[in-house]
Parts: sequence; structure tokens; C-alpha cells
Amino acid sequence: GAGVSQTPSNKVTEKGKYVELRCDPISGHTALYWYRQSLGQGPEFLIYFQGTGAADDSGLPNDRFFAVRPEGSVSTLKIQRTERGDSAVYLCASSLTGFSSSYNEQFFGPGTRLTVL
Amino acid sequence: AQSVSQHNHHVILSEAASLELGCNYSYGGTVNLFWYVQYPGQHLQLLLKYFSGDPLVKGIKGFEAEFIKSKFSFNLRKPSVQWSDTAEYFCAVRSGGGGADGLTFGKGTHLIIQP
Repeated sequence: GAGVSQTPSNKVTEKGKYVELRCDPISGHTALYWYRQSLGQGPEFLIYFQGTGAADDSGLPNDRFFAVRPEGSVSTLKIQRTERGDSAVYLCASSLTGFSSSYNEQFFGPGTRLTVL
Repeated sequence: AQSVSQHNHHVILSEAASLELGCNYSYGGTVNLFWYVQYPGQHLQLLLKYFSGDPLVKGIKGFEAEFIKSKFSFNLRKPSVQWSDTAEYFCAVRSGGGGADGLTFGKGTHLIIQP
């Protein structure tokens, strides 16, 4: 079956512009996570969705970052007024469910490499 | 807040050498622990996980890890590495107890196996 897909694979933009990054989770997965991976670092948690709602957005760095998942499947990460420091690989992951006392594996997508010039 | 520390950022070994990658975490409560691997050009994938029970867990491709609660450690081991083990390895922690938390990752260890 298909894994997590992310588009675009690469995005180059100019400082101050608005960008949208898309994530298609594995079909049937209700939990969806966004992470950001800067060069030489491990992935950093941004936001987690359970269904349509953001269950935990504590990792979003500031109010320029926003994410939606209106139908509980595809999610879009939106970044306003991009800055050079936003350059990173943005990873999406999905799991069968997030709310559980047992762990459901997070499956990661290939990421979107964002470069802000 | 949780944090994860991986002691070695770059490791170079010869084939058939034994491997141990260190991982320490800071969270004092119930934790779930993971090792993820990213092979060149591929996605992050789960290597193994500790949730509860036997602190020695076995994963794919001959890897294992031992959870030592008193040391807040979850070191990854493999008795004999292969060239195909060349990859980036990430240790990660999630607070346990049924919370809806994302994973906290370490900075990663870049492992190079020389033939």
C-alpha cells in the first residue's frame, strides 16, 4: 500500500513569501504529525492532529506557522512571511491512532525541503 | 520538557565490528523509547521500540537496545555491522501513559561502515 506522501519534494521561495506544504497520510490513519528537521539536527515536533483537530500544537515556533486538516486526511502546513531560518526539511508522519496507551508506529514521509532565499 | 542526547555524532567502523550508539533522555516519568534509522535517500523508519516489559528489545536487521531506567539510557547495539548499515540513526522518546505527544528526537548519529 501507499505510504505517507508529501508535496512538493522541494520548495524554493524568497524571504517574506507564503508557502504551503502538503501531506497525504496513509489511508485510515487518524493521527498526523508534522516535524521540522534542520541541518545536522534530529526532527523537531511541530504539531499533531487527531482527526480534524489539532490535539497538540505546542511545537509551532510562532504564529507564522499554521496547519490544517479539514477532512481528517490530507494536511497542509502553512508558513507566512517566510524567513531564512525557516529553511529545513519538513516531515510528516501518520499513525493509526494517537490516543492510546499502546504505541502505534509513526510512519514518516519523504519530507519537503524548504529553502528560503 | 523532554530532551534526548546522542553522544556520538559521527561513527566510522569496519565491517564485522561491534556497534554501540549511546542515547540518554531527560524525562523522569513513564517513557516510550525508539530508535529510528534513515538510510541514504530513504525515509525515516522504525528500527525498534521499548514500551514496557523486557528492557532488552530486539529490532530489525539484528539490532537490539537495552533500556536502563536508572541510567536514563537506551543504547543501540549490533554485534557485527555490515556495509548496508551505513545510515543516520536517531533516538527518540515519547512520554508514556496514553498522552498524545509527538516524539522528541536526538540530533542523530551518522554511521559509516567501511568495507
